Amino acid sequence: DSGVTQTPKHLITATGQRVTLRCSPRSGDLSVYWYQQSLDQGLQFLIQYYNGEERAKGNILERFSAQQFPDLHSELNLSSLELGDSALYFCASSEGDSGNTIYFGEGSWLTVV
Amino acid sequence: GQSLEQPSEVTAVEGAIVQINCTYQTSGFYGLSWYQQHDGGAPTFLSYNGLDGLEETGRFSSFLSRSDSYGYLLLQELQMKDSASYFCAVRDRTGGGNKLTFGTGTQLKVEL
Repeated sequence: DSGVTQTPKHLITATGQRVTLRCSPRSGDLSVYWYQQSLDQGLQFLIQYYNGEERAKGNILERFSAQQFPDLHSELNLSSLELGDSALYFCASSEGDSGNTIYFGEGSWLTVV
Repeated sequence: GQSLEQPSEVTAVEGAIVQINCTYQTSGFYGLSWYQQHDGGAPTFLSYNGLDGLEETGRFSSFLSRSDSYGYLLLQELQMKDSASYFCAVRDRTGGGNKLTFGTGTQLKVEL
């Protein structure tokens, strides 16, 4: 158990809908990272927050947004969902913003039908 | 942008030694990490190289040559439980942030 908690673990929703994935980092960690993993794309970096501020951005679609709250938990919002958004979404956290070692949650399985 | 190349699949027998190579192209390179992921599970951190040379952690070692943009993960005394996917990842500060970009992963199959 890495100490990173993600909810929900599984989610099935229809195209065009919007979902919110939630992440609680390890106690004491200030950085949160979001990754998308699909069969043909590997682990794709989406976005990083550090202490509430956006720190780095990857190939995150405009339909996706994220934020980190004052209590350091983070949410990833996915809207206008498409079939291709079906994937495993991981949250990870680290103490600082160096990214040398990051700790992953168990992921949220999103299926868009 | 960044790109990492690693073999898609490696097979080895229990007790053997296996090396998984990773070559990368990136700007603002800061270090190379290795992560293990079992099917359906979360990636877990194995090793990090910020400087050239070898880092050893138990049965696992990792090597980095920044001049060659190359690194490898060495797994010794292979066990069946080592069957998993192994990802190299580069820490890249391009754009001011700390993007950790992952390779596509190497699936290691350990056989009896």
